[in-house]
Amino acid sequence: GIQVEQSPPDLILQEGANSTLRCNFSDSVNNLQWFHQNPWGQLINLFYIPSGTKQNGRLSATTVATERYSLLYISSSQTTDSGVYFCAVDPGGTSYGKLTFGQGTILTVHP
Amino acid sequence: NAGVTQTPKFQVLKTGQSMTLQCAQDMNHEYMSWYRQDPGMGLRLIHYSVGAGITDQGEVPNGYNVSRSTTEDFPLRLLSAAPSQTSVYFCASRYEYEQYFGPGTRLTVT
Repeated sequence: GIQVEQSPPDLILQEGANSTLRCNFSDSVNNLQWFHQNPWGQLINLFYIPSGTKQNGRLSATTVATERYSLLYISSSQTTDSGVYFCAVDPGGTSYGKLTFGQGTILTVHP
Repeated sequence: NAGVTQTPKFQVLKTGQSMTLQCAQDMNHEYMSWYRQDPGMGLRLIHYSVGAGITDQGEVPNGYNVSRSTTEDFPLRLLSAAPSQTSVYFCASRYEYEQYFGPGTRLTVT
């Protein structure tokens, strides 16, 4: 099946710093989503981004489907950004709708 | 909308016991799924459903059953709980390409 790798596994920042999280995937995908899992365990949709660039406030994401990677940018980080960031891909075809998750990036933002 | 709801939030079972994790959504989404999350890992798909009466297996289906009698509900049954099923369970529904997750059920099997 498709492999999804995220880097770095852990990231520690001071409030106000910028960061880039990466997601590599091993095959073409129908769909790619970024999620934030907050410290209480809730998974929150950040972006649905199979290709191109999207921005939402301090967060933006870029997926280069032909090169099989996606990047999540967090600017001017805040303590509330702490948690785990997952990317998940939907391979499509006979696996349509079945998300495969990366192992996540644990982000800690210190005040 | 309440979105995706799950009950219970926490559960402790003894090995061999059975139970049902409840999941409901009020968004009229056809596609629903169950995932489990283990420490240090991403989520893994257990079972999914593309509509009432239709279910299929995901990556880690062994030890779990599902059924889908209505669009709204998608319960997950543990037939005979094992310590390896200690995990956090998430139910999700999907609209077009976006997945929406419930708050999770933390299950411990002793």
